[in-house]
Amino acid sequence: DTEVTQTPKHLVMGMTNKKSLKCEQHMGHRAMYWYKQKAKKPPELMFVYSYEKLSINESVPSRFSPECPNSSLLNLHLHALQPEDSALYLCASSTQQGLGYGYTFGSGTRLTVV
Amino acid sequence: EDQVTQSPEALRLQEGESSSLNCSYTVSGLRGLFWYRQDPGKGPEFLFTLYSAGEEKEKERLKATLTKKESFLHITAPKPEDSATYLCAVQVNQAGTALIFGKGTTLSVSS
Repeated sequence: DTEVTQTPKHLVMGMTNKKSLKCEQHMGHRAMYWYKQKAKKPPELMFVYSYEKLSINESVPSRFSPECPNSSLLNLHLHALQPEDSALYLCASSTQQGLGYGYTFGSGTRLTVV
Repeated sequence: EDQVTQSPEALRLQEGESSSLNCSYTVSGLRGLFWYRQDPGKGPEFLFTLYSAGEEKEKERLKATLTKKESFLHITAPKPEDSATYLCAVQVNQAGTALIFGKGTTLSVSS
């Protein structure tokens, strides 16, 4: 299995809702990432997990809460989002060194906040 | 500050018309330079990683090269299915394994 699987593919939520995005990989990667991508813009790093511990938080608002329950799963909990948070949320995983063929992205969750 | 600049922003080619995309970078401590292809609404698809100046890698109609200041993605005899956004990203020592992306080049190939 050489894939990163993200669910759901599409999500519409109100500003008072709580929802979660899920990411799963079974490649034995010990680094996992959340990126945010707005339309016609490049992906921007949000969080990095290394060995299930949060290692980088790029000053992301607290309405985004990441969680790494085990080495294969990465969640992003969403609460009280704003319409400007609408974007494609990408999960990625890599070997600990992070180089080469090991850096794999999922297909993303298209989030719309209404 | 680490920077990645891609040019052109958009490129229109006729089928079979070869060209090159550019990625210039100003970083301290380059660990690797990545090329990805991204189709609309999809996640980036890995193409190449280059580690050191002078390195070249090929895959079908694509060839990536790296110098100390820039990388080129050469597309030979492109087909309409090569139409996509091509993203360049760097990994630097100070940022661990995170990727810093350029803004991308959107390639359109018409038959």
